[in-house]
Amino acid sequence: NAGVTQTPKFQVLKTGQSMTLQCAQDMNHNSMYWYRQDPGMGLRLIYYSASEGTTDKGEVPNGYNVSRLNKREFSLRLESAAPSQTSVYFCASSYRHLMNTEAFFGQGTRLTVV
Amino acid sequence: GESVGLHLPTLSVQEGDNSIINCAYSNSASDYFIWYKQESGKGPQFIIDIRSNMDKRQGQRVTVLLNKTVKHLSLQIAATQPGDSAVYFCAENIFGSSNTGKLIFGQGTTLQVKP
Repeated sequence: NAGVTQTPKFQVLKTGQSMTLQCAQDMNHNSMYWYRQDPGMGLRLIYYSASEGTTDKGEVPNGYNVSRLNKREFSLRLESAAPSQTSVYFCASSYRHLMNTEAFFGQGTRLTVV
Repeated sequence: GESVGLHLPTLSVQEGDNSIINCAYSNSASDYFIWYKQESGKGPQFIIDIRSNMDKRQGQRVTVLLNKTVKHLSLQIAATQPGDSAVYFCAENIFGSSNTGKLIFGQGTTLQVKP
């Protein structure tokens, strides 16, 4: 039982490049989330998917797109990376949207945009 | 506006002592609060939660207190151990008109446990 798995763990991009961060959970959770964490700050919600087939913007969605590929997978795409998107990205999942105590986070993806 | 804040960026305690980590929130409509622990290089880990209709909730060695009058949340850790060293985040759940909600995190308090 792996929980929430994110790939890659580390990535360096040049400004303007694109990439997709992958996230998969094997807990049969309905809801999935993407957060970013910057130094000295808490996590900020980028996008979330309350259930399969739906996605919604969080606090800081600009510059990102998401796809809920199926119940297990939720990907985050940067179409044209900018230095301001240098951050650690966390994917999370929960059985029900924000009402369930069992919210699990992945190990994070450390992204540097140069 | 929406904000969740912790009073101290760093808290240093002696091993075996009790730790108290504080958090203030600003939105009186928040109905659900969570404490997370984040160790270096790892994702946040759920510790304990509390709903707005409660004042106190206890777990194993941890207690969360909620004071809605002053919009204050605290996490108490009994008999602090070296393994408790981490960054602790409080988070509040705010439900919007669409009832979808969003979880807002505070900036975090670093707990250092001295042997």
